[in-house]
Amino acid sequence: KQEVTQIPAALSVPEGENLVLNCSFTDSAIYNLQWFRQDPGKGLTSLLLIQSSQREQTSGRLNASLDKSSGRSTLYIAASQPGDSATYLCAVDSGGYQKVTFGTGTKLQVIP
Amino acid sequence: DAGVTQSPTHLIKTRGQHVTLRCSPISGHKSVSWYQQVLGQGPQFIFQYYEKEERGRGNFPDRFSARQFPNYSSELNVNALLLGDSALYLCASSPYGNSNQPQHFGDGTRLSIL
Repeated sequence: KQEVTQIPAALSVPEGENLVLNCSFTDSAIYNLQWFRQDPGKGLTSLLLIQSSQREQTSGRLNASLDKSSGRSTLYIAASQPGDSATYLCAVDSGGYQKVTFGTGTKLQVIP
Repeated sequence: DAGVTQSPTHLIKTRGQHVTLRCSPISGHKSVSWYQQVLGQGPQFIFQYYEKEERGRGNFPDRFSARQFPNYSSELNVNALLLGDSALYLCASSPYGNSNQPQHFGDGTRLSIL
């Protein structure tokens, strides 16, 4: 059974700082890993999708890496802004057909 | 283009009642998935439907059921509601439900059980 862990559960940083969010998973036989952002009371917004054959994906100030052998992914956010404040979730598809397992998220607060 | 839409946005029910939640996928998307998110936790997979067929089911009791219609919209039904069913129910759509496609989520239905 796939288990996904995100550490830390919460993070507070000053504006402008670069930061890294961590995601680990127990079963390395995955199809893909996806990072999401969730604002309070809202649904999830897809940020980056990394296929199992890929090592990283980039979108603007965001860069996600994947190391299947060690069961780890990181989400790097450059030059953080107050608007980046949200909960960040990683989700692992290890069953195919998007039957994904989510982590519990990292709540990020960027202080102006 | 409209994103994934879910209705209602909020719902209050009492124990033992039945509830139906609705989801309209992004136009052109044929796959719909349902998730339950309890406060403070990540979403948990409930069902995936593609072309009106159930293609995946999570570890939820038979009180939970779903269906997909010819226009690819979907309903999630929960019978004999329990206090523990209080959660945000999320719907996600993708073109074909394959693992190389990102899922797009709606804003969810917040269900409160009294």
